[in-house]
Order: sequence, then C-alpha cells, then structure tokens
Amino acid sequence: NAGVMQNPRHLVRRRGQEARLRCSPVKGHSHVYWYRQLPEEGLKFMVYLQKENIIDESGMPKERFSAEFPKEGPSILRIQQVVRGDSAAYFCASSPPRVMLNEQFFGPGTRLTVL
Amino acid sequence: AQSVTQLDSHVSVSEGTPVLLRCNYSSSYSPSLFWYVQHPNKGLQLLLKYTSAATLVKGINGFEAEFKKSETSFHLTKPSAHMSDAAEYFCVVTGSYGNKLVFGAGTILRVKS
Repeated sequence: NAGVMQNPRHLVRRRGQEARLRCSPVKGHSHVYWYRQLPEEGLKFMVYLQKENIIDESGMPKERFSAEFPKEGPSILRIQQVVRGDSAAYFCASSPPRVMLNEQFFGPGTRLTVL
Repeated sequence: AQSVTQLDSHVSVSEGTPVLLRCNYSSSYSPSLFWYVQHPNKGLQLLLKYTSAATLVKGINGFEAEFKKSETSFHLTKPSAHMSDAAEYFCVVTGSYGNKLVFGAGTILRVKS
C-alpha cells in the first residue's frame, strides 16, 4: 500500500541545466498536485493535473516550467535552464478520483539544489 | 481569495506542557481546514482536518483543533508536549475551487526537555 513516491529525493544541477522531477501517485489516484517550498517559507501551489490534462496551472511560472501527467507513468515536473532561485523542495500530492474532503496525500519531496 | 495566517513563526514549550499553535484564516465561503506536520527533511503528514462537521476536531498523536467561525480561527492544541512533537506545523485552507491547498508560512515547534 505505497503512498506517493517521488524521485529523485535530492537533485543537484548547475545553472542552465534541466531538472526532471517524478511523482508516482497513490495507486488509484488520478489527481496530482505540485507544490514548491522555498527556504523558510510554506508550500506554494504550482499546478494541478488529472490524467493527460492540466486543470489549473495558475501557480506555475510562465517560462521554463512545465508539467505533465500522462496516461501511463508518473507525473513529471520539468524545469528548463535552471537558475539558483529554483533551489527549493518540490512536493507532489495526489487525491482519489472523487475528491473526498479535499484531502491530499503528500510525497517526501525532491530537494533541488542549483549550483 | 483564501489565505491563512499563522500567528507565530516559532513556539517553544517544555516537555509535558500544553501546546498552542495559532492560525487564522480568510475565506469567502465555508472552507475545509487542515493541519499538516513536517519533520526535518521529511514530507508532510496530515494531523487533522475540518470539513464542516464537528467544530472540535481530533487528530493523530493527541492533537486537536477547534474551528471558530466567529473568530475565523483554527488553533491547534495538545495537552502535553512530547519531544517527538518538535517539527514544523502548517495550517492549510482549501483554495477557491477546493482543489489546491493554500498554506500558512508555518510554525516551528521546539520542545525542551
């Protein structure tokens, strides 16, 4: 009965490289959310996806960031041409098809460090 | 828009004494409210949730919270702190469409022996 899985747990990139963060939701969950936690701050919503659809990307930076949740496989958060300000913990959460009580189950996060 | 204010960035208590972590929210409709806990370098764990049923909500590890609409508050309490409670706590409200979560800035709880 695995929970939300994220990999890698830690990722180091140099400025200008690409970062790919993966999230496997709880089995049977079809809703995925990505949040970013900057140092000393709370989590900020980035994007909400259902299978093959982006539902709400109002928290996603307009450039360099993209997210997908394909029919098969994990959800991917992709950051192109990373900059030092992208250093943060990125958390994925999932919820079941019928969003009961708005509860989201969080993964352990990916800590991205940009050198 | 929905928002959450956690009134204390740091709280320090002695082991065995009560814990109070304060949270005020702003919402244009009846919200769902949550408290999550985050231990160092770990993910978030749900402590408890309020979804318009009983106003006094009991959670895991002896924590509870009371929803007070008149005060727009959802403070987290525990009668007796344990060393293992040392962590960061987030008060959370659902967003406009009930899907995205809006987090407070967090309260770091320190428990002294």
